[in-house]
Amino acid sequence: EIVLTQSPGTLSLSPGGRATLSCRASQSVSTIYLAWYQQKPGQAPRLLIYGASTRATGIPDRFSGSGSGTDFTLTISRLEPEDVAVYYCQQYGSSPLTFGGGTKVEVK
Amino acid sequence: EVLVVESGGGLVQPGRSLRLSCAASGFTLDDYAMHWVRQAPGKGLEWVSGINWNSGSIGYADSVKGRFTISRDNAKNSLYLQMTSLRTEDTAMYYCAKALSRRLGEAFHIWGQGTMVTVSP
Repeated sequence: EIVLTQSPGTLSLSPGGRATLSCRASQSVSTIYLAWYQQKPGQAPRLLIYGASTRATGIPDRFSGSGSGTDFTLTISRLEPEDVAVYYCQQYGSSPLTFGGGTKVEVK
Repeated sequence: EVLVVESGGGLVQPGRSLRLSCAASGFTLDDYAMHWVRQAPGKGLEWVSGINWNSGSIGYADSVKGRFTISRDNAKNSLYLQMTSLRTEDTAMYYCAKALSRRLGEAFHIWGQGTMVTVSP
């Protein structure tokens, strides 16, 4: 099983700031099999990024994904109050499919 | 509008069974793989099971293997999760999710609002 470790656990930034979220895999993940999701309080998750760097339909370009191998990053530039959420990475190339533990983003 | 709507959750005693359903609308179900994902109260996301477009490829998390069975009826535009021998640790919100393609190994594009399963004596 591929274990995904996300850091930091919580990120607290000011509006307009830049958030950098990390996802580290216990073994190499092909870039085409890495996704990021956003889950706002009381809501279902929403797909942000797939294939490590491709934005899903309707996702603002403030969200970007990068990385390869075992290290992946989600960057939120120009943080807005509506970005308050927990962000999860996921690998879907190897069964069992796995999610990271999540990073909570707060806007001060 | 592309939607998936879960139903069938509720309160059940340990050892009993429950069947979840997921109704798809706004798209043709047999063009996509489908998954179940759960989230225990206050916890993160856990993939439960997935099924490709024609039921030819199915996967389960180790935590539910042998107890849960995923299935689909493309003609009825529906996905199911038969859960048996339920345990208190199965208590969670269960989400149905539509994949980006027919393949099992694809990101989860559309999520339902979930159905809550509570396993308690």
